[in-house]
Amino acid sequence: KQEVTQIPAALSVPEGENLVLNCSFTDSAIYNLQWFRQDPGKGLTSLLLIQSSQREQTSGRLNASLDKSSGRSTLYIAASQPGDSATYLCAVMGGAQKLVFGQGTRLTINP
Amino acid sequence: GAVVSQHPSWVICKSGTSVKIECRSLDFQATTMFWYRQFPKQSLMLMATSNEGSKATYEQGVEKDKFLINHASLTLSTLTVTSAHPEDSSFYICSAPKTGTSARSYNEQFFGPGTRLTVL
Repeated sequence: KQEVTQIPAALSVPEGENLVLNCSFTDSAIYNLQWFRQDPGKGLTSLLLIQSSQREQTSGRLNASLDKSSGRSTLYIAASQPGDSATYLCAVMGGAQKLVFGQGTRLTINP
Repeated sequence: GAVVSQHPSWVICKSGTSVKIECRSLDFQATTMFWYRQFPKQSLMLMATSNEGSKATYEQGVEKDKFLINHASLTLSTLTVTSAHPEDSSFYICSAPKTGTSARSYNEQFFGPGTRLTVL
């Protein structure tokens, strides 16, 4: 059974810092890995999708990497801003397009 | 990206009543949609897979007679919580994968804004 773990559970940093969020998964037989952002009481916003054959994806200040063999992904956020404060979730897609989510990292950027 | 909507965004009901939640893909067709529930400060747990034209498939431990799913068309799936009880109070979110034309976006999942259900 696939298990996804995110570390740290919570992170608080001052504005402007670069930061890394970690995601690990136990079964490397995945189709893709997706990073989401969730604001309190809201749905999920897709940030980056990495296919299993890819190593990284970039969008603006965000960069996500994937090492499928070791079961790890990282989300790098450059020059953090208060508006980046949210919960970040990673999820891996296995068979039948099902996503398995990590518990999330609650990120707070302090002005 | 793609847009998935949910209605209602929040609902309060009395114990014993049934509540229907709609999930729509607004700008793409989805033969498959997924329903999740999320408890406060917890992650999303997959409840069931909604399949257009056939029965939904439920995850282990999810009561299919309690959570009725109907995938009426290629853009609409509904979740009905029957005989709701306070323990059913949760945040329900749906998603739909969009099969993109590029390898980069293949199977990207798009989520609705969620429905907050409170059962009194």
